Amino acid sequence: AQSVAQPEDQVNVAEGNPLTVKCTYSVSGNPYLFWYVQYPNRGLQFLLKYITGDNLVKGSYGFEAEFNKSQTSFHLKKPSALVSDSALYFCAVRDLILTGGGNKLTFGTGTQLKVEL
Amino acid sequence: DSGVTQTPKHLITATGQRVTLRCSPRSGDLSVYWYQQSLDQGLQFLIQYYNGEERAKGNILERFSAQQFPDLHSELNLSSLELGDSALYFCASSADRSRNSEAFFGQGTRLTVV
Repeated sequence: AQSVAQPEDQVNVAEGNPLTVKCTYSVSGNPYLFWYVQYPNRGLQFLLKYITGDNLVKGSYGFEAEFNKSQTSFHLKKPSALVSDSALYFCAVRDLILTGGGNKLTFGTGTQLKVEL
Repeated sequence: DSGVTQTPKHLITATGQRVTLRCSPRSGDLSVYWYQQSLDQGLQFLIQYYNGEERAKGNILERFSAQQFPDLHSELNLSSLELGDSALYFCASSADRSRNSEAFFGQGTRLTVV
């Protein structure tokens, strides 16, 4: 089974500083990786995805992610954090379900990002 | 706004009861997914429908069922509710069945079983 791990429950960073939210993956075959963000009492919002191609993927709201095959990592980054970036971030891998031809997202446990003034 | 609409936003019901959660996918999206989010289990995949047909099943209890209608909206039926079923239930939609296409999530239905 494919899985992702988010080793940090919480990340604290000062506004204006760069931020990194870590994610490692375990897959057989090519990984289809996603980042989502969840604000309080809201649904998950899609940030970016890696399917193939460049290892640096750019997404919404100034976020980017670096895919590293040798380290099986897909860390989310932003050069300069904002207080409004404070939220719960989820890494996910898209998994094929062979019976039925469907697929699903398998999520990590989430990392709470807190950006302080 | 993701374009995925879920109703109701909040639901409070008693143990043993049955409820129906509704989801309207983004315009044109053929795939609908249901997820459950709880503090102890995190985000868990329940089931996927594509163009009216069930395509993938996750850790969905036998007391739960879903369907997707010809107009592509979907309903998740939860019966014989238990306290442990209290959770946030999300619907998501994507354009097709491929792994490439991102899924867009609704704002969820918060179910409280008392």
